[in-house]
Amino acid sequence: EAGVAQSPRYKIIEKRQSVAFWCNPISGHATLYWYQQILGQGPKLLIQFQNNGVVDDSQLPKDRFSAERLKGVDSTLKIQPAKLEDSAVYLCASSLDLHSGANVLTFGAGSRLTVL
Amino acid sequence: KNEVEQSPQNLTAQEGEFITINCSYSVGISALHWLQQHPGGGIVSLFMLSSGKKKHGRLIATINIQEKHSSLHITASHPRDSAVYICAVDTSGSRLTFGEGTQLTVNP
Repeated sequence: EAGVAQSPRYKIIEKRQSVAFWCNPISGHATLYWYQQILGQGPKLLIQFQNNGVVDDSQLPKDRFSAERLKGVDSTLKIQPAKLEDSAVYLCASSLDLHSGANVLTFGAGSRLTVL
Repeated sequence: KNEVEQSPQNLTAQEGEFITINCSYSVGISALHWLQQHPGGGIVSLFMLSSGKKKHGRLIATINIQEKHSSLHITASHPRDSAVYICAVDTSGSRLTFGEGTQLTVNP
């Protein structure tokens, strides 16, 4: 089966600019996650969707970050305006269903953002 | 204190050595994941376990729920095993909490 697709793989922008990342999860996966991974650290959950609804966005900096999953399939994560500390890899992951018990995640390759 | 602690942070081994990476957690969990991340690459799920032990090839993962501790073992290590190994716990509500990762380097 096809994996989790993310684009772009790399993006370099200047601070205060905006950027958007796209994720297409595995077909049929109801749950989608966006993680931020700063160099040398473990991933940190930004937002979790179940279909097109938000389950957890408690760690999303809502003043500058937004995410949507309008049709319950692919998702976009936007940062506007970007700050230097947003430089990180943004990982998208999906799993079959939040309520299916065992929560096996499949990760995309990530989108590496550099803010200058 | 992080909810998930891994040790060691960095590990260098010679090819063929037996490797152990440890993970301790402080919260109630429904499952624990071991993940592998190669430089510049995405994250691959190695194991998901909620009790006992699982084995896949040269990799073995164990978990002790009472002690809130898990170990990942690599037998007959190889340079291609060089990667960051991440422990993540699945708390109720399906939020994953990640450890900081263990950077493993296996030298030929």
